Amino acid sequence: AQRVTQPEKLLSVFKGAPVELKCNYSYSGSPELFWYVQYSRQRLQLLLRHISRESIKGFTADLNKGETSFHLKKPFAQEEDSAMYYCALLGGNFNKFYFGSGTKLNVKP
Amino acid sequence: DTEVTQTPKHLVMGMTNKKSLKCEQHMGHRAMYWYKQKAKKPPELMFVYSYEKLSINESVPSRFSPECPNSSLLNLHLHALQPEDSALYLCASSQEPSTDEQFFGPGTRLTVL
Repeated sequence: AQRVTQPEKLLSVFKGAPVELKCNYSYSGSPELFWYVQYSRQRLQLLLRHISRESIKGFTADLNKGETSFHLKKPFAQEEDSAMYYCALLGGNFNKFYFGSGTKLNVKP
Repeated sequence: DTEVTQTPKHLVMGMTNKKSLKCEQHMGHRAMYWYKQKAKKPPELMFVYSYEKLSINESVPSRFSPECPNSSLLNLHLHALQPEDSALYLCASSQEPSTDEQFFGPGTRLTVL
């Protein structure tokens, strides 16, 4: 069965500190993985996807098939990064989105 | 226009009321989705429309009735809802059905009294 696990509900870091939001997945095929972000009072929006291998707002994420992980990283966190982050997997019989439970990132000044 | 829009932003309704949520996109996307999001929880898929046809119904109660009048519009008709149906209802669209990133609307905050 498809599953996405984000073990941390809340992650608090100081501005300028490195941040890593963990995401592990369970999927038998070749998954497509995404990170979505939801800033306060704003819509859910795509941050990045593994196939594009981009760096958006300083964030990167590498798909590690051996560890079935897709952790989101940023070397120097900014206060404006404070938001809810969802890891999502596209897959399954109907190619649906499966969202993780989300990690709330709080970047303190 | 590169956004998904939803109306109304907020809706309060009684358990005997009938109301509708509306979603619109003009990006030429051929797939549209309804999600339900409770506070501090991830979105839960409700329905998927693919080329204006209902392709996925995630065992949603019949008091929720989706409708896709055309490729740009998606409605969610509500009738005889329960207080536990109070949530943020999100609409999303993607270029192709379930094979591409989804673009989300701002949501409709529904409160059922």
